[in-house]
Amino acid sequence: DPKIIQKPKYLVAVTGSEKILICEQYLGHNAMYWYRQSAKKPLEFMFSYSYQKLMDNQTASSRFQPQSSKKNHLDLQITALKPDDSATYFCASSQERGENTEVFFGKGTRLTVV
Amino acid sequence: GEQVEQRPPHLSVREGDSAVITCTYTDPNSYYFFWYKQEPGASLQLLMKVFSSTEINEGQGFTVLLNKKDKRLSLNLTAAHPGDSAAYFCAVSAANNYAQGLTFGLGTRVSVFP
Repeated sequence: DPKIIQKPKYLVAVTGSEKILICEQYLGHNAMYWYRQSAKKPLEFMFSYSYQKLMDNQTASSRFQPQSSKKNHLDLQITALKPDDSATYFCASSQERGENTEVFFGKGTRLTVV
Repeated sequence: GEQVEQRPPHLSVREGDSAVITCTYTDPNSYYFFWYKQEPGASLQLLMKVFSSTEINEGQGFTVLLNKKDKRLSLNLTAAHPGDSAAYFCAVSAANNYAQGLTFGLGTRVSVFP
């Protein structure tokens, strides 16, 4: 029973278009994250949100906009899509801090921009 | 910023043999250290989280060693079996919270053959 739900699993988009990647977590966590996994690159941290507020934005351009309508939701809106945006995008969640906390990942959305 | 180097990128292991994956990191203030396993098409599954200065932790079928003095983290798969075939990723957290995200290694693809 998946506790972090990402939709869709696969997505094909045309260059220049806009897409929204959906993420919901049912682990009761107060922090959520987006990571990107591109070919031949490490899994790359993009954003962190805690209690629906942005904590950190590492590498993403302004074309990538997280949207949090509820505490357990963190969607990712991507505008003006480029072929280089093709990657698998992972949503993750955790409690924000604590020695016993762990970061859990969803199954990812594989985005292909043509 | 933090950089994590993971080796080797690929590993072929005979069933029953052991295998070692090693990560080195650059930030001496790194706080939490993780190993994740990713099977094809699946999410990242946390194998173990460690944070003490020098620590050996044993899990089911593997051992994790952290040496903060050398800034080295290793995963030893003991008595490999076909279910161990997957990609393995180390990850490092710069702080005692995850607001700045985890920095991942590039991954090691392990294939266990009979």
